[in-house]
Amino acid sequence: EPEVTQTPSHQVTQMGQEVILRCVPISNHLYFYWYRQILGQKVEFLVSFYNNEISEKSEIFDDQFSVERPDGSNFTLKIRSTKLEDSAMYFCASSVERNTEAFFGQGTRLTVV
Amino acid sequence: DQQVKQNSPSLSVQEGRISILNCDYTNSMFDYFLWYKKYPAEGPTFLISISSIKDKNEDGRFTVFLNKSAKHLSLHIVPSQPGDSAVYFCAAGGSEKLVFGKGTKLTVNP
Repeated sequence: EPEVTQTPSHQVTQMGQEVILRCVPISNHLYFYWYRQILGQKVEFLVSFYNNEISEKSEIFDDQFSVERPDGSNFTLKIRSTKLEDSAMYFCASSVERNTEAFFGQGTRLTVV
Repeated sequence: DQQVKQNSPSLSVQEGRISILNCDYTNSMFDYFLWYKKYPAEGPTFLISISSIKDKNEDGRFTVFLNKSAKHLSLHIVPSQPGDSAVYFCAAGGSEKLVFGKGTKLTVNP
């Protein structure tokens, strides 16, 4: 069964460093998303991406964040200068169309020290 | 921002009985709703969805009910199995993003 894959599963980085989280969405999906879940809190929307551009983003997704689809399969989230409060599980998701179920990857646990 | 609320943090039921998980929302612009199941250290797994034009959707042991006037939806699991033990998230969408509730931890006891 097709699935969304994320690498790495766990990333530890020093505060102020840049980090790139990688995702391979399901191949025939057109919409791609990043969500995050800080420990003990809700899953929160960060950004959606369609047709090679950001289609929607939340207040959390500030200038420190960027997304890219560098080739036909990968979808990346970059955090330019990590802060302690960026520590969270980051989930990539994809869907066939807008307003349909999104399928999530296993997540990347980002720990900023 | 509590647009989607799951007021019960936990629920415990006996194997074979019905599990009913509840969710309330405040934003009238939401037009589709989903339930996800999540195990620790894993991503949410899609279970079932319903659009605002329906009031019920069924898939095997899982049924989702939507009451638009009350802005309430529920997930029924019948019969409950120990393998159903997980955290269940309600999510709502009206654009591309999903808004999640805080989750309800379901424990099904053998």
